[in-house]
Amino acid sequence: SYELTQSPSVSVSPGQTASITCSGDKLGDKYACWYQQKPGQSPVLVIYQDTKRPSGIPERFSGSNSGNTATLTISGTQAMDEADYYCQSWDSSTVVFGGGTKLTVL
Amino acid sequence: QVQLVQSGAEVKKPGASVKISCKASGYTFTSYYMHWVRQAPGQGLEWMGIINPSGGSTSYAQKFQGRVTMTRDTPTSTVYMELSSLRSEDTALYYCARTYGDSSGYLGDWGQGTLVTVSS
Repeated sequence: SYELTQSPSVSVSPGQTASITCSGDKLGDKYACWYQQKPGQSPVLVIYQDTKRPSGIPERFSGSNSGNTATLTISGTQAMDEADYYCQSWDSSTVVFGGGTKLTVL
Repeated sequence: QVQLVQSGAEVKKPGASVKISCKASGYTFTSYYMHWVRQAPGQGLEWMGIINPSGGSTSYAQKFQGRVTMTRDTPTSTVYMELSSLRSEDTALYYCARTYGDSSGYLGDWGQGTLVTVSS
């Protein structure tokens, strides 16, 4: 079965750029998306179709996907961005999530 | 606005079944697929399957094949997820989530989650 791998944790200073990666076999040949989940809340879609932002998502969130790696980039990271982030794709009509990355804003 | 309101928390014994509801409002119910995703305490997201509210067709994750059933009731704009033969490992928060945009692969609006606790 298809697997997506994320680093368990990433730390960033306020105002700096955070990069969260997601790796999977030939992931660049598929579409990837990203969810943000804060404690006690339901996940929120922040990036879909590799690079697109749903309405209401700040411009500081961006995405890319090439080769075996999809990347979520948060520019000018704010304290409110501290959360768990999950990548997701699908393979053979099956949705697959990465294990999640905890972003800490120090 | 789109709302997905799920049924309340459940406590079940091992071997029992649980049926969770997800009532949709604020959009045309039959125009968007609905996913079910679960999250064990302190763990990540796990996809369970998807239902097309228009025709009722379903696709389940291989892990849950034979144990999960997703149905819908169009007049009440409600989807249901039933999981049988419960075990302690099924203790989790269960979410319904509506697809986003034209693709069935993105989960745009999520319910508040339903906690299912499996304990003897």
